[in-house]
Amino acid sequence: DTAVSQTPKYLVTQMGNDKSIKCEQNLGHDTMYWYKQDSKKFLKIMFSYNNKELIINETVPNRFSPKSPDKAHLNLHINSLELGDSAVYFCASSPRTVNYGYTFGSGTRLTVV
Amino acid sequence: RKEVEQDPGPFNVPEGATVAFNCTYSNSASQSFFWYRQDCRKEPKLLMSVYSSGNEDGRFTAQLNRASQYISLLIRDSKLSDSATYLCVVFILTGGGNKLTFGTGTQLKVEL
Repeated sequence: DTAVSQTPKYLVTQMGNDKSIKCEQNLGHDTMYWYKQDSKKFLKIMFSYNNKELIINETVPNRFSPKSPDKAHLNLHINSLELGDSAVYFCASSPRTVNYGYTFGSGTRLTVV
Repeated sequence: RKEVEQDPGPFNVPEGATVAFNCTYSNSASQSFFWYRQDCRKEPKLLMSVYSSGNEDGRFTAQLNRASQYISLLIRDSKLSDSATYLCVVFILTGGGNKLTFGTGTQLKVEL
C-alpha cells in the first residue's frame, strides 16, 4: 500500500491551461504539504495544511490554490500555467508531533510548453 | 543567504572510500535536523535524524554542532548503491506550524 500517493505522475500541458494534482495519504497523519523542486533541484515548501486548515503559505502566486477536503487529501490546482511552473511537485505528510521527518509522495513532473 | 547551505558536489569517490558532507543552517531556532537521500527522479527519503550527541546507523554517522549551526554526515565503506543526492534538512516550528527546510543537496557518485 502506497503511503502518500500523487496523481498524475507526469503532466504535460500548454501555457495558460488550468490543471490539478491530487494527493492522498493513508498514514493517519494530521499535516500535509506541497513542495516544489525546480530545475536546480532545490526543494522548497509551498503550503502546509493541518487537519484541513491552511497553516503555511510561502509566498506562492495566487494562481496556485491548495484544497484539503479532509485530512487525508491535499490537492493543488494551478490556474493559467506559465513556463516557470515547470517543476516536480511533491506532496508530503507528517504526524502533528514535531521532530518527525516527512513521508513524500513520488512526485508529479509538470512540464508547461 | 540560504537557510540551509551545502556544497553541491559532485563528490566522486571509489567504492570503499569514506566521504563526509557538511551543512550549515542560519536559523538558530531550528529544532530538529535530518539527512534525506534522494535518488535520481525519485522522492526524498529520510536517511537519519541528527542528534547533538552524534548518532550512527550502520555505515552512516551524523553529527550536530548547535553552537556552530553545523551538521555533518559521514559515510564509511561507501557502496555503489550510496550514489544519490544527500539533502541536509532542518525542522523549524514557526508561529503557525512546522516546516522542513531543505538544503540544495550534495551529489555523491561512488565508482568502481
